[in-house]
Amino acid sequence: ETGVTQSPTHLIKTRGQQVTLRCSSQSGHNTVSWYQQALGQGPQFIFQYYREEENGRGNFPPRFSGLQFPNYSSELNVNALELDDSALYLCASSFSGNQPQHFGDGTRLSIL
Amino acid sequence: AQSVTQLGSHVSVSEGALVLLRCNYSSSVPPYLFWYVQYPNQGLQLLLKYTSAATLVKGINGFEAEFKKSETSFHLTKPSAHMSDAAEYFCAVSDRFGNEKLTFGTGTRLTIIP
Repeated sequence: ETGVTQSPTHLIKTRGQQVTLRCSSQSGHNTVSWYQQALGQGPQFIFQYYREEENGRGNFPPRFSGLQFPNYSSELNVNALELDDSALYLCASSFSGNQPQHFGDGTRLSIL
Repeated sequence: AQSVTQLGSHVSVSEGALVLLRCNYSSSVPPYLFWYVQYPNQGLQLLLKYTSAATLVKGINGFEAEFKKSETSFHLTKPSAHMSDAAEYFCAVSDRFGNEKLTFGTGTRLTIIP
């Protein structure tokens, strides 16, 4: 059984740029959630996708957007990057209704 | 709104000693509660989950947690600490079985003293 995989593992960007992070969900999972984990903090919920539709959003501005594809993989897009966007971005997948979320190892994004 | 509070950002125990990591929750609906562990440069691994069945929940690696509604607590314990237990531990709450958003605590860093 393949787990949740995220790419890239590390990324360095400058303020004002745009970034796309990718996530392949665990086999059989149809729900993907994204979290932001700042240094020394717990993860914060960004949004969740279920069957290609957004299914809940946390307190993040619209420049954070996402997609889920028919194979249930997902992208997180962040526009107009700010220094505070520096964090570990975690993707988690699950099968709706009866399973907890399983996390990938994350993408560490650094903004210079 | 739901929230969790983890008491103690750093906990140190000797190898072989009892591990106790504290978590208190706040929820207006029956909660589902989780403990996750995070090793350096890795994602989160599920240790155990409470889903309104048995109040004493057993997880992986010898960890267990007890749901106490009267105390709004879900503390994590392990009878005998091992060096490999050194990691960051997060308590989390959701209001459905893991598919609504998870709200995490700020984490407790566990150090094991040889």
